[in-house]
Amino acid sequence: SQKIEQNSEALNIQEGKTATLTCNYTNYSPAYLQWYRQDPGRGPVFLLLIRENEKEKRKERLKVTFDTTLKQSLFHITASQPADSATYLCVRTGANNLFFGTGTRLTVIP
Amino acid sequence: NAGVTQTPKFQVLKTGQSMTLQCAQDMNHEYMSWYRQDPGMGLRLIHYSVGAGITDQGEVPNGYNVSRSTTEDFPLRLLSAAPSQTSVYFCASSYSLTRGTNYGYTFGSGTRLTVV
Repeated sequence: SQKIEQNSEALNIQEGKTATLTCNYTNYSPAYLQWYRQDPGRGPVFLLLIRENEKEKRKERLKVTFDTTLKQSLFHITASQPADSATYLCVRTGANNLFFGTGTRLTVIP
Repeated sequence: NAGVTQTPKFQVLKTGQSMTLQCAQDMNHEYMSWYRQDPGMGLRLIHYSVGAGITDQGEVPNGYNVSRSTTEDFPLRLLSAAPSQTSVYFCASSYSLTRGTNYGYTFGSGTRLTVV
C-alpha cells in the first residue's frame, strides 16, 4: 500500500530551538507533498507545498525539504515559539484525494 | 469572506437516526470534499465533488450520501447512524483539483459527531 508516515506522535522542544518533523513515504513517489497545521478543535490549515523536483521550499520561519532518494520530507520551524504548538500534518496529493499522515503534535516549551 | 462554514459544530445521534452535516463555501470553489478524522488515523476521504451536479466516492463512502446542487453547498447525509460513524468530520474545498494540488485546500472547522 502507498503509505505516508509521520514518525513521531509528539515532539517537545525548547522555545528558540529548531523543530524538525519527519514524513516518510513508501511504495510510490509522490509528485507533491503538502504540510498543514491543525490546532485543537479546528480544521487543518495549509502551510507549504513542495514538488518532487524541488529540494527545498521556505516560507518565513518554515522550511520543507524533499529527498526522493530517502523517500522523506523534513519540516523545520526555526526560532520556535509557544504559538507554534500544534499538530502538523504531512499530506500526499493523489488523483482526486489527499492522503494524510497521522500528524506530529509539537509542543514548544517557554 | 467566511471561507468554509460547517454546521453544526457538535451533534449527538442515536443509532439509526439520520442527519445532514452542512458545508458551505463562499469562495466560488468548484472542488469540495468530506473527510473524517479518527484518533490514530489520518483524515480519510468520504466523498468529493468537482462541480455542481458531479459527485464521487472516496476511500470510506459506506453509510454516507452527498449531493451538489449548487457550487456553494455540499451536504453530507448519514442515512442510519452507527456508532462506527462517531468521528470528527471536515469539509474541504479548492478552486479545482489541480489548484488544490498546487496551492492547498481550505478546510472548515469541523463537526464532532457522537453516535450512541
